[in-house]
Amino acid sequence: GAVVSQHPSWVICKSGTSVKIECRSLDFQATTMFWYRQFPKQSLMLMATSNEGSKATYEQGVEKDKFLINHASLTLSTLTVTSAHPEDSSFYICSAQGWDSGNSPLHFGNGTRLTVT
Amino acid sequence: AQSVSQHNHHVILSEAASLELGCNYSYGGTVNLFWYVQYPGQHLQLLLKYFSGDPLVKGIKGFEAEFIKSKFSFNLRKPSVQWSDTAEYFCAVIATGTASKLTFGTGTRLQVTL
Repeated sequence: GAVVSQHPSWVICKSGTSVKIECRSLDFQATTMFWYRQFPKQSLMLMATSNEGSKATYEQGVEKDKFLINHASLTLSTLTVTSAHPEDSSFYICSAQGWDSGNSPLHFGNGTRLTVT
Repeated sequence: AQSVSQHNHHVILSEAASLELGCNYSYGGTVNLFWYVQYPGQHLQLLLKYFSGDPLVKGIKGFEAEFIKSKFSFNLRKPSVQWSDTAEYFCAVIATGTASKLTFGTGTRLQVTL
């Protein structure tokens, strides 16, 4: 089945630094990629939707200047957490949807656990 | 905006027991419904989905779910759980017109004991 690779799987960074997370669709072209955030014991919350070649659409309350999303190709989207702070520590998950998915289920990456010290 | 409620946060069952996990959503329009499973250390995987037609949906690994429109529910069931079913289960909804944005419930942690 379709595979989505997310890298890195975990990262620890110092407060004030930036961290880039990659999401790749390995065997299909992802027209749309979604970025989610999951706090412990809570649900996945959609942060933003990105379509290849256009600006990402952010959900209410998500700072677009802090969480930079780039969907440069049909197989790669990146999320950069800029000037990270401890409160940004969380589990970030991407998902991807292909051309013919319609409302079909999305394919998820394994997630990235970010710890900001 | 739509929301999804999973009332069971943590369920502990013995092997061979029957399972039912509750899922209710709030949205007045047409929805697509999903159950995902996340095994320890692994990514989310689709268990089953409902788009239209027969409201009783069968998924992988012996799971099934029933869409009851009048109750805004999509409960997950399995007649006899196995130890390997230990995982986190998420109910999710796509409301029509939301560009495939999944709204997730808070998840239910299922622990199956031997």
